[in-house]
Amino acid sequence: DQQVKQNSPSLSVQEGRISILNCDYTNSMFDYFLWYKKYPAEGPTFLISISSIKDKNEDGRFTVFLNKSAKHLSLHIVPSQPGDSAVYFCAASSANAGGTSYGKLTFGQGTILTVHP
Amino acid sequence: NAGVTQTPKFQVLKTGQSMTLQCAQDMNHNSMYWYRQDPGMGLRLIYYSASEGTTDKGEVPNGYNVSRLNKREFSLRLESAAPSQTSVYFCASSEDRFSYEQYFGPGTRLTVT
Repeated sequence: DQQVKQNSPSLSVQEGRISILNCDYTNSMFDYFLWYKKYPAEGPTFLISISSIKDKNEDGRFTVFLNKSAKHLSLHIVPSQPGDSAVYFCAASSANAGGTSYGKLTFGQGTILTVHP
Repeated sequence: NAGVTQTPKFQVLKTGQSMTLQCAQDMNHNSMYWYRQDPGMGLRLIYYSASEGTTDKGEVPNGYNVSRLNKREFSLRLESAAPSQTSVYFCASSEDRFSYEQYFGPGTRLTVT
């Protein structure tokens, strides 16, 4: 049962254009969402996050949008650069009543982004 | 400041052999995690340690054991390796169990034949 899904295995974009990576989730208890970036032979690195009390968070070229009613989030990269070529994972977490879920992340399958010069 | 380090980087095992994957962090983090990454599956949590002295099962704990040796170190043991455990294993840490942002090591690529 995949609670976090990234339905596009890959995305190809021209340098300078916008990249939009999508993520859907099914667990309505998720209240915090993160995007990680992963280069080959390296571990994932944190990119940007958003709390469920917000619908948008920006950090430079990266913006994450959250649509709670649709259980959908997206990552926008503008403008895209060749160095952005990597695998992008979305992840979600929830804080249940007992607090035992804090910090535990559920990841999507990842989307391979290729930015062409 | 090395962050999260993992050893070994690569390992090939025969079915039934055992091994321990080592992980250490130098960020004074309280919580540590072990994930496996398989094609088309994303990262799945094997075990985690919310704080020194505690460990809990994650999503896919079968076939694995863990030890939180001290605050810095969190090891993952395969007692009797199976081909289904062929994967890339990542260790991660976070400031505490209330912190969502996790810092990952470079991974160990394990092949079981």
